[in-house]
Amino acid sequence: GAVVSQHPSWVICKSGTSVKIECRSLDFQATTMFWYRQFPKQSLMLMATSNEGSKATYEQGVEKDKFLINHASLTLSTLTVTSAHPEDSSFYICSAPLAARAADTQYFGPGTRLTVL
Amino acid sequence: AQSVAQPEDQVNVAEGNPLTVKCTYSVSGNPYLFWYVQYPNRGLQFLLKYITGDNLVKGSYGFEAEFNKSQTSFHLKKPSALVSDSALYFCAVSGDSNYQLIWGAGTKLIIKP
Repeated sequence: GAVVSQHPSWVICKSGTSVKIECRSLDFQATTMFWYRQFPKQSLMLMATSNEGSKATYEQGVEKDKFLINHASLTLSTLTVTSAHPEDSSFYICSAPLAARAADTQYFGPGTRLTVL
Repeated sequence: AQSVAQPEDQVNVAEGNPLTVKCTYSVSGNPYLFWYVQYPNRGLQFLLKYITGDNLVKGSYGFEAEFNKSQTSFHLKKPSALVSDSALYFCAVSGDSNYQLIWGAGTKLIIKP
């Protein structure tokens, strides 16, 4: 199957700093990637759809100025949490389908655990 | 509106017994149904999917799921559970016009030796 990596796997930062999380498709090109947030013992919440070469599409209630997404190449999307606060602490997961079709399987990165002190 | 329901927060099964994790869905048009598994502090791993054709879908690690259109269900099953199957299981659906996945709340599966 296709492989998606995330870096870092975990990060601890001070309140007010910015944190960048990378999502890479290792063996395929991904014109679209998805960013999710997952709280403990809860389901995935879609934050935004990252589109290569264009602006990301954010879900309702997600602050685009706080969660900056850049999809500069066909294998890399980044999520930057700006001016992070303790309430931003969460597990962030990215995914990418092999093709942007409804029936296509999404492949997930291993996730990034963010802790804001 | 599209939705997915996993009615059980947790399912407990003895090792060696069959297991079922339930999922029902609501979607306009043709549904594309997926099961994923998540181990602690890990991303999600794809188990199986239904797109079209045979209602019984076989997937990874001995899991299978049956698509039932009349009951709008896609229950995950395995004939003989292993302790290593203990994890969080998610059902998801997408429709013809939108490849974004709609997720169920997840079911924690606990297999006891």
